[in-house]
Amino acid sequence: DTGVSQDPRHKITKRGQNVTFRCDPISEHNRLYWYRQTLGQGPEFLTYFQNEAQLEKSRLLSNRFSAERPKGSFSTLEIQRTEQGDSAMYLCASSLGGHTQETQYFGPGTRLLVL
Amino acid sequence: AQTVTQSQPEMSVQEAETVTLSCTYDTSESDYYLFWYKQPPSRQMILVIRQEAYKQQNATENRFSVNFQKAAKSFSLKISDSQLGDAAMYFCAYRSYRGAQKLVFGQGTRLTINP
Repeated sequence: DTGVSQDPRHKITKRGQNVTFRCDPISEHNRLYWYRQTLGQGPEFLTYFQNEAQLEKSRLLSNRFSAERPKGSFSTLEIQRTEQGDSAMYLCASSLGGHTQETQYFGPGTRLLVL
Repeated sequence: AQTVTQSQPEMSVQEAETVTLSCTYDTSESDYYLFWYKQPPSRQMILVIRQEAYKQQNATENRFSVNFQKAAKSFSLKISDSQLGDAAMYFCAYRSYRGAQKLVFGQGTRLTINP
């Protein structure tokens, strides 16, 4: 297993366009997280899935953002009508939930630039 | 809500020396986890060390150790025998023991290793 993967690694788009990012977690991991990281800051939580159920959403996740995890495997994060303030690194993490040694493993991120 | 504060935006150390990165947090919970993550330039975030709040013993991982002061809500990271490969952004993070599974990150400390 090669760890958490994300696609694309970089995305440049014009304001008002829609973008979609994909995350493939470590295969046996049942929990999947999305975070957003702006330059010089720590990651901020966006949303969390356990299997296919979206269990928590941050207030940062406006109605322009939607995330899915069909069949509890890969996940997609879509941003509609992008704004310049959406420019950031979008990080995905996965974990095997249900035990005290649970650790979140991060992907390389998708860097979004909105012009 | 829990918050994590890293008061040192940047730190530098000579190769082979020891450096300590500071982290404080605020929570009303008694059980939780604390983490240090490392994010090298243009590379993905990896876990350095974790600490369970119910454990009094400080965690260690090879050259990395923590000083966990629960009453003071302090969680510092000590890196011994610093190596050039230790250069990175270091993030302190908090996770609740129950309920919310998200990580709450500090702002990060950029560590430079001088040869």
